[in-house]
Amino acid sequence: QVHLVQSGAEVKKPGASVKVSCKASGYTFTAYYINWVRQAPGQGLEWMGRINPDSGGTNYARQFQGRVTMTRDTSISTAYMELSRLKSDDAAVYYCATEFHTPMVLGDEVVLGRRGFAPWGQGTLVTVSS
Amino acid sequence: DIVMTQSPDSLAVSLGERATINCKSSQSVLYSSINKNYLAWYQRKPGQPPMLLIYWASTRESGVPDRFSGSGSGTDFTLTISNLQAEDVAVYYCQQYYDTPFTFGQGTKLEIK
Repeated sequence: QVHLVQSGAEVKKPGASVKVSCKASGYTFTAYYINWVRQAPGQGLEWMGRINPDSGGTNYARQFQGRVTMTRDTSISTAYMELSRLKSDDAAVYYCATEFHTPMVLGDEVVLGRRGFAPWGQGTLVTVSS
Repeated sequence: DIVMTQSPDSLAVSLGERATINCKSSQSVLYSSINKNYLAWYQRKPGQPPMLLIYWASTRESGVPDRFSGSGSGTDFTLTISNLQAEDVAVYYCQQYYDTPFTFGQGTKLEIK
């Protein structure tokens, strides 16, 4: 069964950093992107970025560039999201989610038909308070 | 960035009736080489992570009841919930994953009338 398990809640002071982990099981970890999404109280879902667990390549949302670092440890099928220089409005629930795809053959080419985000981790609450 | 706009913001529907939620993207999310719209719908219940209902605009995720259906192409999409059940009370989000940054609609809160 495909499963993502995240690390526990964190309380941090403004200016500090937080590192959230996301352990995958039930599938080949290196085959599919891991995305990170957050939801602040009363706000919508905000995509932060994603990592290719195979290459380690990343895409970050513009508003987080310079503050976010996404990494992975393939030996333990775990992805990490570190956010630095925390502010009060970084208080949120942070989620990881796998981005599965279906290979589609088009003549000589294989295109990966991406299928949205599933499953999601259970979420990690990050509180930022002095 | 692709902007996703949902309507309405909230909706109250009687049990057994149909709920319809709309989503519009600021540009096409149709991946033309495979004729798939990179548009997903999620259900979010309090205290739970979002759950994927529909991907490719109209393909139901495994295990999702067939009363959930998606339609549309290009820039205009619809999520329809037929025969509304009490457990369908949730916030529903559309998302484009055609291009980064992947973006979500603002959410539609579905309640029972």
